[in-house]
Amino acid sequence: DAGITQSPRHKVTETGTPVTLRCHQTENHRYMYWYRQDPGHGLRLIHYSYGVKDTDKGEVSDGYSVSRSKTEDFLLTLESATSSQTSVYFCAISPVNRDSAAEAFFGQGTRLTVV
Amino acid sequence: GQNIDQPTEMTATEGAIVQINCTYQTSGFNGLFWYQQHAGEAPTFLSYNVLDGLEEKGRFSSFLSRSKGYSYLLLKELQMKDSASYLCAVVDSNYQLIWGAGTKLIIKP
Repeated sequence: DAGITQSPRHKVTETGTPVTLRCHQTENHRYMYWYRQDPGHGLRLIHYSYGVKDTDKGEVSDGYSVSRSKTEDFLLTLESATSSQTSVYFCAISPVNRDSAAEAFFGQGTRLTVV
Repeated sequence: GQNIDQPTEMTATEGAIVQINCTYQTSGFNGLFWYQQHAGEAPTFLSYNVLDGLEEKGRFSSFLSRSKGYSYLLLKELQMKDSASYLCAVVDSNYQLIWGAGTKLIIKP
């Protein structure tokens, strides 16, 4: 199994509070991704990173920010949590580069509830 | 826009064969993945197709037709543990994964 862990696994937070989710990998893969998964929508990309301090937005990035100060860690921050951000969040890693596709390996997910 | 379509839910009988279809319209194509996701768990890799044709891997096979924008996942000799969601994902021209909403497969004894 790919070495990728997410923390926390479950979190309940109040509307308006900041929340940070952590993704840690031991595979030294270049690409890291944050997705959210909601019923009927499949996996939607929030942000991704293609190297230390190199990040870019995905299709649903509003209200989220990310940071990658080390190869192994990718943090997702909800600046001011809203109920619409209640979801399951998955981190994924991939050795993909600009010229090839490769499978993504997923963390176990974080179930976030905003009340 | 980019779009991937899969049936929302399918039901099949233990021991039978089921085919899960995926059609796509994306900006470019650099391959198609199938993932399996059990309830409450992370998606796990099943197959990757980049050329037309059938790729067989044990009880699972995946087919691709690039000209038709079509793929299917074929599961043979169904087992109860195959009850899961099956996700189709296309790699677009920017090497980004575009995901379908997934097909929930229910296996009945």
